[in-house]
Amino acid sequence: DAGVIQSPRHEVTEMGQEVTLRCKPISGHDYLFWYRQTMMRGLELLIYFNNNVPIDDSGMPEDRFSAKMPNASFSTLKIQPSEPRDSAVYFCASSYRGLGAFFGQGTRLTVV
Amino acid sequence: AQTVTQSQPEMSVQEAETVTLSCTYDTSESDYYLFWYKQPPSRQMILVIRQEAYKQQNATENRFSVNFQKAAKSFSLKISDSQLGDAAMYFCAYRSIYNNNDMRFGAGTRLTVKP
Repeated sequence: DAGVIQSPRHEVTEMGQEVTLRCKPISGHDYLFWYRQTMMRGLELLIYFNNNVPIDDSGMPEDRFSAKMPNASFSTLKIQPSEPRDSAVYFCASSYRGLGAFFGQGTRLTVV
Repeated sequence: AQTVTQSQPEMSVQEAETVTLSCTYDTSESDYYLFWYKQPPSRQMILVIRQEAYKQQNATENRFSVNFQKAAKSFSLKISDSQLGDAAMYFCAYRSIYNNNDMRFGAGTRLTVKP
């Protein structure tokens, strides 16, 4: 298995634009997590899914953030409109049941 | 919500020596998972070791071992025979079993290995 695949690896966008981050979890995993990493706030859990259903989105900072998981092999995290303070590394991770999560390589988002 | 605390922002160790990274957590649950992750400069998050709370035996993975003290809610990571490649950020993580299975991380400890 290729592991968790995220795209793009880097994204630079202008303030106000829509940004979509993509994630392909490991096949057979039933949990998918989205995290945001910044120097100031560390690793924050934004949202996670179990069997494609969102379980807890209390970490999503604002209504500008939304996440979907239309099927077991794909998830998106969308920011609309983007702001400079959204600049961070966004990680997707997947796991089987309660075991350790495996992370993608992250998307470095820069909003200018 | 459960919280994970790593009280050492930075640690350093001499190559070939042993270093211990600290982690404490707060929970009212009796069963859960604990993890240590390594994040090298490449930013890839790598699972280092896992501990199930119901197991009294401390987990080990080659040069990495943990000291799990359930009553004290402590979960430290010991790295033996430190190597230059061990230099990274290390994150402790707590995963609930009963509370929807979410996973929370500590703030991390930056480990420097001196040659």
